[in-house]
Parts: sequence; structure tokens; C-alpha cells
Amino acid sequence: QVQLVESGGGLVKPGGSLRLSCAASGFTFSDYYMSWIRQAPGKGLEWVSYISSSGSTIYYADSVKGRFTISRDNAKNSLYLQMNSLRAEDTAVYYCARGMDGSGWFFDYWGQGTLVTVSS
Amino acid sequence: DIQMTQSPSSVSASVGDRVTITCRASQGISSWLAWYQQKPGKAPKLLIYAASSLQSGVPSRFSGSGSGTDFTLTISSLQPEDFATYYCQQANSFPSFTFGPGTKVDIK
Repeated sequence: QVQLVESGGGLVKPGGSLRLSCAASGFTFSDYYMSWIRQAPGKGLEWVSYISSSGSTIYYADSVKGRFTISRDNAKNSLYLQMNSLRAEDTAVYYCARGMDGSGWFFDYWGQGTLVTVSS
Repeated sequence: DIQMTQSPSSVSASVGDRVTITCRASQGISSWLAWYQQKPGKAPKLLIYAASSLQSGVPSRFSGSGSGTDFTLTISSLQPEDFATYYCQQANSFPSFTFGPGTKVDIK
């Protein structure tokens, strides 16, 4: 069965960095677009970043552009999010999500999420 | 950017009730809309994609309709496991995939 397992969250000071990972299993990872989506405590969902199946096409939300970097290693079935210059408003649960086959911008499987807290 | 609104923001309903949630886009998005269900402490779950296509494994009491700017999610007969928050998401304004603010369905 499809599984996405995020890791790497934690407490970090403003201006600090963190790298999130998402381990995928149960499907051919290299065939699918992937995204990171976040949810601030008690708030709604915000799409953060997208990467194509090969990694050649990448997009970011304006709120993270220039600070976050998405990447993937298809040999390791893994997705990553490097987060630099973190701000308090980046505090959220970060989910990795798989884009649907044939429509990569609907998200058919999600991980359980990893909490990132930015606070001094 | 396309803005998404949902109404109502919350609804109280009983088991067996028919529940309708509306999502409106600030500009036309054709049928590029999905609906997700989220329970507390859990990841969202895809229910409907392309406005009206039922995701595999989702009960048929869930249905979606609409195109352009106005969309509806209907639960034909509310079940205990359906108490959750529901989000719409537009995928027309690529690559900015905006979500609605959510509608909480709770027990009357």
C-alpha cells in the first residue's frame, strides 16, 4: 500500500534551518509529481512547493520562494524540503503529498505530517 | 491569485442528514477542483477530484458538482465517521494550488 512518512521536524530558532524528508513506499515513486503542503496550528491548508517526477520542474508558493528548496532522490524513493531563514509564520505541520496519476495537482495520498516550530 | 471561499464555515447536523457545502472561486477554474476531508490530528483525505469524480474507495454518499466558479460537495446521508472538516482546493491557477478555508461538520 502507498505510504508516505515524513521526518525532520522540530523546534528551530528564527533565522535557522531545517531539512524535512519524506520516505515513499508502495508505488513507483519516480512516476509521480510530489508536493509539500503545510498547515499552521488551528488553520487551513497551504500548498508550499511542487516537484515533477524527474525533478526538472519545480514551483514554490510566494511565501517561501527564495528560502525553501524542494528536491527528490528517485533512487532512494525520497522527497526533501530544505528550509532556510525560517520565520515564526513557518510554524506548521508539513505534509508531503502525492500528485494523482494524470493530474499531479490533486493530491491522492498524504503522509502523517511533521511539526515544525519556529520560536526563540 | 485565485481566492477560494467556502460556506458555511461550520454546520451542525445529525446522522442521516443531507449536508451541502459550497465552494466559490474568485475567477473561473473550469472543473479544476478537489474536495478533501480532514479529521483532527490526521492528514487530509481526497474525496472528489475534477469537481465531480469520486476518488477510489470513497463512499458513494459523497458527491461533487459544479464548474466555473461555484461548486458543491454533498453528503447524502451523514454518517458518524463523516464529522470532520472539509476543504476545497483549486488546481486551475497552476502552479498555485489554493485551498478554501474549510467547513467544519459537527454533531447537532
